[in-house]
Amino acid sequence: HVQLVQSGAEVKKPGASVKVSCKASGDTYTIYNIYWLRQAPGQGLEWMALIHPSSGQPTYAQNFQGRVTLTRDTSTSTVYMDLSSLTSDDTAVYYCATVGTYGHIDDWGQGTLVTVSS
Amino acid sequence: DIQMTQLPTSVSASVGDRVTITCRATQSISTYLNWYQQKLGAAPKLLIYGASTLQGGVPSRFSGSGSGTNFIFTISSLQPEDFATYYCQQSYNTPPTFGQGTKVEIK
Repeated sequence: HVQLVQSGAEVKKPGASVKVSCKASGDTYTIYNIYWLRQAPGQGLEWMALIHPSSGQPTYAQNFQGRVTLTRDTSTSTVYMDLSSLTSDDTAVYYCATVGTYGHIDDWGQGTLVTVSS
Repeated sequence: DIQMTQLPTSVSASVGDRVTITCRATQSISTYLNWYQQKLGAAPKLLIYGASTLQGGVPSRFSGSGSGTNFIFTISSLQPEDFATYYCQQSYNTPPTFGQGTKVEIK
């Protein structure tokens, strides 16, 4: 079992960037991939990107290409999601989550609310 | 991208009722279909993966079936703690995509 703890809520102005962290603990050796997803207020779930913890190789959703960057620090088992050129449409709760070998999302972070407002 | 259509978008039901939600994919996804429960203000929770495999610790009143493009999620006897929003998700290919969600409300 893996526990994921994300950084705290952020308030940003349009055009700014935000960096959200996700620290894993527990059975981290079992992590196959880590996803980042988001959920706008009252809306459904949207996949943004994934990173393979061992190789650090990221894959980004088409909608976020050029705006999102995933990095990881293996020494602290932490993954970072950087989203740039923020607009009000980026106001959402951002989640990191581990992915099982069947592609199912089995452990979730608590979520990080990012509010973009002038 | 594979589109997932989930119906109904909401359902009103009473404790003890049987609730059924359907999820349809725009192409065959074999059994790469997962179901999640999300309560207000919380992260989603995995209930079922591989279309029909119950995640550990999930009550047996939850079940899933289907393959290819058509899937069904059932709560056999609705309990007070089951009032939530449910999502299907395909994990057949990248990007993973979700249904729009089904809100199960108290009748």
